Amino acid sequence: GENVEQHPSTLSVQEGDSAVIKCTYSDSASNYFPWYKQELGKGPQLIIDIRSNVGEKKDQRIAVTLNKTAKHFSLHITETQPEDSAVYFCAASPSLKAAGNKLTFGGGTRVLVKP
Amino acid sequence: DTGVSQNPRHKITKRGQNVTFRCDPISEHNRLYWYRQTLGQGPEFLTYFQNEAQLEKSRLLSDRFSAERPKGSFSTLEIQRTEQGDSAMYLCASTSQTGMSYEQYFGPGTRLTVT
Repeated sequence: GENVEQHPSTLSVQEGDSAVIKCTYSDSASNYFPWYKQELGKGPQLIIDIRSNVGEKKDQRIAVTLNKTAKHFSLHITETQPEDSAVYFCAASPSLKAAGNKLTFGGGTRVLVKP
Repeated sequence: DTGVSQNPRHKITKRGQNVTFRCDPISEHNRLYWYRQTLGQGPEFLTYFQNEAQLEKSRLLSDRFSAERPKGSFSTLEIQRTEQGDSAMYLCASTSQTGMSYEQYFGPGTRLTVT
């Protein structure tokens, strides 16, 4: 089955700096890669996603890049703010047409933005 | 649309007792997923439904676990003869199979503590 590795496990940045989280996956059938933000006591919230036919996607201060050949994808947060402090999870999934689109998650990155 | 809801939010039970959790997905979503999240880890897939049919179960779902979605709307997850290792956050997510949306929307979770 799919295996997703996520690094680093913790990340401390100064407010205004950028944060980068990297993930690798093992199953070449995976073609959907969402990123979730989870705050204490809450369920994961989707913040951005990318499909395999796209190499990069951006939404305001958040961007995701995908390298299918190398089987890795990354989350970039620019101009970090204290409210970006949370745990971030990457995930991978095959298409809806196969395997029910179940998500395999990485281990998470705890991001702390220091004011 | 109020999003995915889960009840109860917290459950404390003694080892050996049975517990049942409920998930109400987003109304038009026909796929419903259960995940388990232990402290400091990413969510792990347990099972999923398409309408009322349970289409896949993870090896994590032992015989003590059973899930139902009788009318294709809400779902229940029951754990019989709970063990301390069952302590975790149980997350429910839903998505629509129609169209090209891959997004899974998560509920707030039910935190189970087995004493």
